[in-house]
Amino acid sequence: EDKVVQSPLSLVVHEGDTVTLNCSYEVTNFRSLLWYKQEKKAPTFLFMLTSSGIEKKSGRLSSILDKKELSSILNITATQTGDSAIYLCATKAGNMLTFGGGTRLMVKP
Amino acid sequence: GAVVSQHPSWVICKSGTSVKIECRSLDFQATTMFWYRQFPKQSLMLMATSNEGSKATYEQGVEKDKFLINHASLTLSTLTVTSAHPEDSSFYICSASGDRSSYEQYFGPGTRLTVT
Repeated sequence: EDKVVQSPLSLVVHEGDTVTLNCSYEVTNFRSLLWYKQEKKAPTFLFMLTSSGIEKKSGRLSSILDKKELSSILNITATQTGDSAIYLCATKAGNMLTFGGGTRLMVKP
Repeated sequence: GAVVSQHPSWVICKSGTSVKIECRSLDFQATTMFWYRQFPKQSLMLMATSNEGSKATYEQGVEKDKFLINHASLTLSTLTVTSAHPEDSSFYICSASGDRSSYEQYFGPGTRLTVT
């Protein structure tokens, strides 16, 4: 059975801090790993990672995949209160996504 | 970009009634649509995968007679919760992908169902 595990479960930081969210997976027929941000409604897409060691960056967010360690990290630098959300990672095998349990991030002013 | 809509965004119904939720891809043809369920403070759980014109594939533990999925066209899939009970109250999210090899799934905004 495919498994995706995220850590920590929740995190409280202050504005300006840098956070690192972790995602590890055990998936057969792995194709890619995706990161999403979920606020009040459906998840919004952040990154898709297919190749190991290549960092993807978007503003203050960046992510990298380590296929040897079967894991990925999502970094957020200079956090803002608007970054407060649940961050989900998901692996894609075939055409299906398996989601991790999410990390709930709260950024305090 | 690819847009997926869901209707309604919020519904309250009485126990025993049925509720239909629509998922539409607005600017692309969705050969595959996925239905997820999310309980409060939990992650998304895949309920079923549907390909246009064929029967949906349900995940283990999901009752196919209770959660009827129809994917009759390339832009529309529906989820009908039959004989709803309070424990069916949840957030239901659909997503759609444009072709069988696409790496992207585009999510709808979700439907919050409350069964009283």
